Amino acid sequence: NAGVTQTPKFQVLKTGQSMTLQCAQDMNHEYMSWYRQDPGMGLRLIHYSVGAGITDQGEVPNGYNVSRSTTEDFPLRLLSAAPSQTSVYFCATTRETGANEQFFGPGTRLTVL
Amino acid sequence: SQQGEEDPQALSIQEGENATMNCSYKTSINNLQWYRQNSGRGLVHLILIRSNEREKHSGRLRVTLDTSKKSSSLLITASRAADTASYFCAQLVYNNNDMRFGAGTRLTVKP
Repeated sequence: NAGVTQTPKFQVLKTGQSMTLQCAQDMNHEYMSWYRQDPGMGLRLIHYSVGAGITDQGEVPNGYNVSRSTTEDFPLRLLSAAPSQTSVYFCATTRETGANEQFFGPGTRLTVL
Repeated sequence: SQQGEEDPQALSIQEGENATMNCSYKTSINNLQWYRQNSGRGLVHLILIRSNEREKHSGRLRVTLDTSKKSSSLLITASRAADTASYFCAQLVYNNNDMRFGAGTRLTVKP
């Protein structure tokens, strides 16, 4: 089993460009989430999903969109990239709600110029 | 805003010594979790302690939780160079689905 996979590992964008960060899991987990990690800070929740067809906002949702059409995939879309979105992005899954241990992907390092 | 704060921000010890990291949080919680992050990698879950528990052990890890003080501590005994990493506490905010992470403690274990 691959667990939680993220693509790409690295990405450089210009301001205003759009892109989608991919997250896939083969653990059959209902709960998936996206975090960003900035230097010297902990992870901050962007969006999360408690199951296919259901998404909700986290702590820092502005500038990002998500959808959850299948249990396995939870893509994160940057609509118009800004330098403030330069960060490392992590996808995580857990069996049910956020009550259980989370399994993290390896991360995507995004730079917006 | 961050829910938790770890203390100290950085800790450097010799192999074989014990390492203690502390975490304080602000609101009522369902549970508190500790994670490890090696440089450039994703987070790995270490241990979960529920709000009605006071202490939990897992191998060389010991976690305590004091809900009256809204604080937790992680003790790593007999540290090894491989324990070098950043350690984060995270809280599931009560009646909420999202986890709140602190800024982490960077632990360096010198061989």
